[in-house]
Amino acid sequence: NAGVTQTPKFRILKIGQSMTLQCAQDMNHNYMYWYRQDPGMGLKLIYYSVGAGITDKGEVPNGYNVSRSTTEDFPLRLELAAPSQTSVYFCASSYSAGAREQFFGPGTRLTVL
Amino acid sequence: RKEVEQDPGPFNVPEGATVAFNCTYSNSASQSFFWYRQDCRKEPKLLMSVYSSGNEDGRFTAQLNRASQYISLLIRDSKLSDSATYLCVVNPSNTGKLIFGQGTTLQVKP
Repeated sequence: NAGVTQTPKFRILKIGQSMTLQCAQDMNHNYMYWYRQDPGMGLKLIYYSVGAGITDKGEVPNGYNVSRSTTEDFPLRLELAAPSQTSVYFCASSYSAGAREQFFGPGTRLTVL
Repeated sequence: RKEVEQDPGPFNVPEGATVAFNCTYSNSASQSFFWYRQDCRKEPKLLMSVYSSGNEDGRFTAQLNRASQYISLLIRDSKLSDSATYLCVVNPSNTGKLIFGQGTTLQVKP
């Protein structure tokens, strides 16, 4: 099992550009999450999904969009990138909302210049 | 007030030392509590869950005080490999929408 995979590992965007961060999991988890981590800070929840076709906002959703067409994939879309979106983005998955553990992908380091 | 607060450190300790980290949370209705470990430039990984009765996993002991809304992690006989950032994490109402503290950095020196 690969667990949770994310692509790309690194990306530099110019202000106003758009991109999609990819996330996939092969553990058949219903729950998937997107977090961002700014330097020296904890993770903040951007969006989450409780199953295919169902998504909802987290704490910091502005400037982002998500979709969940399959159980495996949960892409995060950045529209009109801004310097404030410079961060490390982690995707995670879990079997249930109350699961003991969320499994994280290796992260995408995004810089917006 | 932050929902989950930790002293960011860094804590610099010699090998073999005992070190304790503390964390406070603001939502008294929170259901589940965890310590995650994050190595430099890596993803967080679950270290251990935290239960009201306290729980131990080898050199690591976690405690929860619901009355004081306080969580602790004790590391005994520190190893060089324990150097990392330790994240205090709360799962309020068991929604899966984890709330992270900013982390406490531990550096174990030879």
